[in-house]
Amino acid sequence: QVQLLESGGGLVKPGGSLRLSCAASGFTFTDYYMTWIRQAPGKGLEWVSYISSAATVIVYAESVKGRFTISRDTARSSLYLQMNNLRAEDTAMYYCVRAPSRGRVGRYFFDSWGQGTLVTVSS
Amino acid sequence: QSALTQPASVSGSPGQSITISCTGTRNDIGTYNFVSWYQQHPGKVPKLMIYEVTNRPSGVSDRFSGSKSGNTASLTITGLRAEDEADYYCASYTSDTTVFFGGGTRLTVL
Repeated sequence: QVQLLESGGGLVKPGGSLRLSCAASGFTFTDYYMTWIRQAPGKGLEWVSYISSAATVIVYAESVKGRFTISRDTARSSLYLQMNNLRAEDTAMYYCVRAPSRGRVGRYFFDSWGQGTLVTVSS
Repeated sequence: QSALTQPASVSGSPGQSITISCTGTRNDIGTYNFVSWYQQHPGKVPKLMIYEVTNRPSGVSDRFSGSKSGNTASLTITGLRAEDEADYYCASYTSDTTVFFGGGTRLTVL
């Protein structure tokens, strides 16, 4: 079955950095777009970034553009999110999420979610 | 670009039907059929309920249906059950290639 296992969350000071990882299994990693979606405590869902199956298309939410970098490693079936210059408002549960595609074209819905990794930005 | 607009809460009695609206613009819902809906129970991971406006993933009850008219998408739940009580989020692809979620709707089954 599909498994998405996030790691790398934790407590970091404002201005600091973290790298989130997501190990994928149970499906053909290269057939799917992958995304990061976050949820601040007690708040709604916020899409953060997606990367296409071949890593040729990468898009970020305005709130993280220039600070976060998404990447993927086909050999390791892994997704990453490098987060720099973190702010208090980045505090959230970060979910690694699979997004189906049709060929190389995204379909922009999210069908399998990891359990999430919590990022807390606080001094 | 801002989040899609959903009502903060809706409620219904068991057996009844409810509809949750999700209002966007011509730059998202009005142009693209990449509208999806997610159910989230407290403390749980979101679950895909509807994709591409009207499609139900395998395993999702046919009591859940989606539709779209103009810039507004809707999720309808018929035959309401206690286990449907949850938060529901819509999402849409946008003209600037980003994705936006609605603010979420808390469904209460009375």
